[in-house]
Amino acid sequence: DTAVSQTPKYLVTQMGNDKSIKCEQNLGHDTMYWYKQDSKKFLKIMFSYNNKELIINETVPNRFSPKSPDKAHLNLHINSLELGDSAVYFCATRRGVGGYTFGSGTRLTVV
Amino acid sequence: DAKTTQPPSMDCAEGRAANLPCNHSTISGNEYVYWYRQIHSQGPQYIIHGLKNNETNEMASLIITEDRKSSTLILPHATLRDTAVYYCIVRAYTGTASKLTFGTGTRLQVTL
Repeated sequence: DTAVSQTPKYLVTQMGNDKSIKCEQNLGHDTMYWYKQDSKKFLKIMFSYNNKELIINETVPNRFSPKSPDKAHLNLHINSLELGDSAVYFCATRRGVGGYTFGSGTRLTVV
Repeated sequence: DAKTTQPPSMDCAEGRAANLPCNHSTISGNEYVYWYRQIHSQGPQYIIHGLKNNETNEMASLIITEDRKSSTLILPHATLRDTAVYYCIVRAYTGTASKLTFGTGTRLQVTL
């Protein structure tokens, strides 16, 4: 039973399309995050939600819209995909001062 | 969050202890030291964290100097499966706005 699960694992799509990545956690953690890892392997935070409320938005283009329907889910919708959006996207959760738990990632390739 | 400095890469023989250093000379009193690792393209994995005291769990030990300006992650008996990029992160717990900021880490290569 995966603690933080992301779907899909791989996503190949054409420029200009709209796509969504889903994240679900069964840890009961209050805070969820989206991170992006680019081709140079830098991991950067994009968003965080706490109890369905947006807390952090790290100057991400507004083509990216996170949505948290409930505490256990944080989805990422991307409009008008661009080549530069190709990356691995990781969902993560956190409880209090403890460590983060990351999902296994979604590899997005825009062609 | 305080900046950290790690060597870009290290090698370790299988079965030996791997000692990964991290400098965080500007750390504040309320900032924790966290260690994560990323094996190939998997999601980062939490290893251990500490504030002042040394910490040990089933994966590793964390040694923090008395002045807290540096720390060492110790993998007591490294195996090939420990080959990964290891990230040292210093972070204050600021409630819901807390976030992890990853640097470039240390690429640990465990060899036979």
